[in-house]
Amino acid sequence: KQEVTQIPAALSVPEGENLVLNCSFTDSAIYNLQWFRQDPGKGLTSLLLIQSSQREQTSGRLNASLDKSSGRSTLYIAASQPGDSATYLCAVSYYGGSNYKLTFGKGTLLTVNP
Amino acid sequence: DGGITQSPKYLFRKEGQNVTLSCEQNLNHDAMYWYRQDPGQGLRLIYYSQIVNDFQKGDIAEGYSVSREKKESFPLTVTSAQKNPTAFYLCATQYRRATNEKLFFGSGTQLSVL
Repeated sequence: KQEVTQIPAALSVPEGENLVLNCSFTDSAIYNLQWFRQDPGKGLTSLLLIQSSQREQTSGRLNASLDKSSGRSTLYIAASQPGDSATYLCAVSYYGGSNYKLTFGKGTLLTVNP
Repeated sequence: DGGITQSPKYLFRKEGQNVTLSCEQNLNHDAMYWYRQDPGQGLRLIYYSQIVNDFQKGDIAEGYSVSREKKESFPLTVTSAQKNPTAFYLCATQYRRATNEKLFFGSGTQLSVL
């Protein structure tokens, strides 16, 4: 059974800092890994999707890396801003049993202080 | 204005009552999903549908029912058999299931028990 773990559960940083969020998964046979952002009481917004054949994806100040062999992904946020405050979730898609599956981590609550 | 519309934003259920959550999309996506999110927990899959008139149980389908009569619509009914329905419910769509396509989410419905 695929398990997805996100560490830390919460992170508080001053504005302007570069930071890294971690996501680990137990089964390396994945199709892809997605990073999402969720604001309080809202739905999820897809930030980056890394296919299993890729090592990283970049969008603006965000960079996500994937190391399938070690079962890890990191989301790097450069020059953090208060507007980056949200919960960040990762999700792994894989083939489990006889079906395509998607498993989410519990998220990291990020607070960027002005 | 393309996207996913979930309604209502807040819903209250009385003991023994069935309630229906609406999810409508105009993205022309084939796959639609219903997830449940509890505080501090990852998202858990309730039901999904890959095409019209077809749907499959997810990991926690007991006490829920769905229909997919139109491509645009995937309503979720929370029945009286669901004893712990209080949660945040999220509808999501994907162009095709089991592909390297991003997941798109609606803004969610918060269901509470009176």
